[in-house]
Order: sequence, then structure tokens, then C-alpha cells
Amino acid sequence: QITLKESGPALLKPTQTLTLTCTFSGFSLTTSGVGVGWIRQPPGKALEWLALIYWNDDIRYSPSLQSRLTITKDTSENQVVLTMSNMDPVDTGTYYCALAIKAAPVLGAFDIWGQGTMVTVSS
Amino acid sequence: EFVLTQSPGTLSLSPGERATLSCRASQSVSSSYLAWYQQKPGQAPRLLIYGASARATGIPDRFSGSGSGTDFTLTISRLEPEDFAVYYCHQYGNSPRTFGQGTKVEIK
Repeated sequence: QITLKESGPALLKPTQTLTLTCTFSGFSLTTSGVGVGWIRQPPGKALEWLALIYWNDDIRYSPSLQSRLTITKDTSENQVVLTMSNMDPVDTGTYYCALAIKAAPVLGAFDIWGQGTMVTVSS
Repeated sequence: EFVLTQSPGTLSLSPGERATLSCRASQSVSSSYLAWYQQKPGQAPRLLIYGASARATGIPDRFSGSGSGTDFTLTISRLEPEDFAVYYCHQYGNSPRTFGQGTKVEIK
């Protein structure tokens, strides 16, 4: 069974750096084609893709947030970590990690999602 | 960047009715890389359709996807009570990946 779970602080102050951890099981980030991505959702708003890291260290970022984002993987711990610097109240929302397998049949769609973690940025 | 525009913003229908949701892309999207997700309040999105028309594991056959190029459609043939939710389209063939703004299917 594949599962992903996000963890991190629930509350941050403006200008602080957010560090989120996605801990997964049921698959390995050393397997060809496997990737883990991060997606966020402000309250009552749409999904926004943030970043993605693949088994081969291919990394992609949202251009609008690239300067603030860093995604890394720890294959021994089955974790993917996302950091976002200089947090602002507009960054408030639920942050999800999700599995993306770059192989047939889904060819990279976000197949399995974590439950999400709510992050509030407020002074 | 690929912009996905979903319409309508809200669809008010009764159980048993047919729902037709639209997703229009600002540039041509390979059909292999267009997905639809369902999201219920307080829950994570769930993959319904990938490759524009393939149902994900466990998705009932009342859900179908179609389209190509810049115009894609999600159809729910007969709405069940559990289908009232928000639906998002997503293109993942080009970076950056993008999502549509969502269509809410509500009970009339």
C-alpha cells in the first residue's frame, strides 16, 4: 500500500522559512520513473503546483516561486523535503505531497496524495 | 506557461443528471498528459482521469474524459450524491505543471 504524509509547522511568522517533510511508504525514490511533487491550496482557492523531484535528481520548480523553493530527497529515510523561504501571509494554505510516476500508464499524473498539512503565516 | 481555464465555475444539478465540465488550454496539450481530479471538502484531491480519457484505479465508469488539443471534457453520466465536489483539470506534459481553477458541482 502506498502512503504519503506531510509534516511541518502549523504556524509561521512572516519572513520565516518553511520546512515541510513528506514521508512515504510503499515505493522507493530510487526506482526509475518515480517522482514526488508538492502542491498547495490557499483556503477556498485552487491547487497550485510548486515543485517536483524525480528518482534521477531531475528537479522542477514553479517559475513564479523558484527563487524561494528548494526540494531535496533522502532515499534512505523515504522522505522528500521542501523549503520555502521568506514566507508571507499569502502563502497560507494546505500543502500536499503526491506521487508522480513518469511511466505508463499514468505518465506522471499525481496518482496518490498525502492528506495535506495546513500552514498559517501570521504575525 | 500553459493556462487551463475551466467552465463553468459552478454547476448546479440534481442527482441522476448528467454533468459536463470543460477545460480549455491556452496551448495544445498532448492528450497523454491531461488529468482530472475530484476534491471533497477537507480531503486531498483524488485522481479520476489521466491521459485525458483513462479512468484511474477504482473510478466508476460513470466518469469519462474526452478531448484533445486545447479542449477537454469530464462527463459524469448520472450524478450520485457522493459526486458533488470540486473538479480540477491538470496538465503535466509541460513544465511548469498547471491546474485549472476548478468547477464546483453542487446540488440543485
